[in-house]
Amino acid sequence: AQTVTQSQPEMSVQEAETVTLSCTYDTSESDYYLFWYKQPPSRQMILVIRQEAYKQQNATENRFSVNFQKAAKSFSLKISDSQLGDAAMYFCAYRSFQGAQKLVFGQGTRLTINP
Amino acid sequence: ETGVTQTPRHLVMGMTNKKSLKCEQHLGHNAMYWYKQSAKKPLELMFVYNFKEQTENNSVPSRFSPECPNSSHLFLHLHTLQPEDSALYLCASSQPPGAGDTDTQYFGPGTRLTVL
Repeated sequence: AQTVTQSQPEMSVQEAETVTLSCTYDTSESDYYLFWYKQPPSRQMILVIRQEAYKQQNATENRFSVNFQKAAKSFSLKISDSQLGDAAMYFCAYRSFQGAQKLVFGQGTRLTINP
Repeated sequence: ETGVTQTPRHLVMGMTNKKSLKCEQHLGHNAMYWYKQSAKKPLELMFVYNFKEQTENNSVPSRFSPECPNSSHLFLHLHTLQPEDSALYLCASSQPPGAGDTDTQYFGPGTRLTVL
């Protein structure tokens, strides 16, 4: 079974600075998807970024980018120019390329933005 | 309304009550999901429906009974719940796998359930 680990329960960063959230996963599959979701206090789980394992290029979405290291099974999220609205729980998730549709989530990292 | 909506947003019920959670998606998707988010555990999948048919049941107790009358609506019927069932219940939708970027799951705001 696949597992996802987020080793940082909490992180904080100064507004306008850059922060990196860590995620590692364990799988025996070669093809899969990885996601970062954000859950603000409103509780709505919002997709931040998606990465296909077969793509070597790291995904980017505006101020959000990932460092995908397939051999190391590492998938970190970098947030540049942090804004107050980035404060939320961030969840890393894994999904198989074929077969089961379920997302396997990590425990989450609570990100605080200091003004 | 847009995206995925869930009602009610909050629900308090006794262990002998029967209640239902409702989810509706306005994204034209054909797959819908129920997830449970407890305070001390990662989100965990409960059920998956594809084209109204249940395709995954993640060993969920029978006191949780899902229903998917069409591709836009998903219900979770609750009866004789336990206090440990108190959690945030999230609904999601997507296209079924293989549909490219559209098989990404989009979530609703959740129903906060408290069982007394």
